[in-house]
Amino acid sequence: GENVEQHPSTLSVQEGDSAVIKCTYSDSASNYFPWYKQELGKRPQLIIDIRSNVGEKKDQRIAVTLNKTAKHFSLHITETQPEDSAVYFCAASHATSGTYKYIFGTGTRLKVLA
Amino acid sequence: ETGVTQSPTHLIKTRGQQVTLRCSSQSGHNTVSWYQQALGQGPQFIFQYYREEENGRGNFPPRFSGLQFPNYSSELNVNALELDDSALYLCASTSGGSGGQTQYFGPGTRLLVL
Repeated sequence: GENVEQHPSTLSVQEGDSAVIKCTYSDSASNYFPWYKQELGKRPQLIIDIRSNVGEKKDQRIAVTLNKTAKHFSLHITETQPEDSAVYFCAASHATSGTYKYIFGTGTRLKVLA
Repeated sequence: ETGVTQSPTHLIKTRGQQVTLRCSSQSGHNTVSWYQQALGQGPQFIFQYYREEENGRGNFPPRFSGLQFPNYSSELNVNALELDDSALYLCASTSGGSGGQTQYFGPGTRLLVL
């Protein structure tokens, strides 16, 4: 079935260092890959997304890369700050009969140590 | 913050009861999806509604049902509650169409079944 694997499950970095979170998807029809940040007790918030016709996208300190052949995509956060501490979820999506269903990874708890 | 709202924020029910959760979509969004997020897990797709009709469903039993109204607000109904139904229930709205893959989440309803 459709599956998204996410690693690592927890990640601790020193403030100012970079953090990388990796996801692998199983459905080759997936063509849209959003990343969400979820702080404790709050809603998932979209931080960046990428479509399958693009290999890389950057927004300030955040970047996402996509390797369609390997079915891998990764989130890169540079110059991490304590406020980056949260749970990050990747997701893969494609349209099936007009339905855009997201398959989420299991999440990565990022801790940025001051 | 997104324009997606949910009510109530918290709810406690007992096993066997029924519950209705509500979602108000972001203005201009005609598609709503519902997700169940168990503690420490990624959101799991329940179903999606488009123009008042169910437009796709995940691996959830029929006791999970929904409605979408002409103003695009939505309800999630769960009958015969089980302990494992305890979770955060998220709705997400999107504008639909070819650009409709980006989903914006509401703050969620935390349901506890005793």
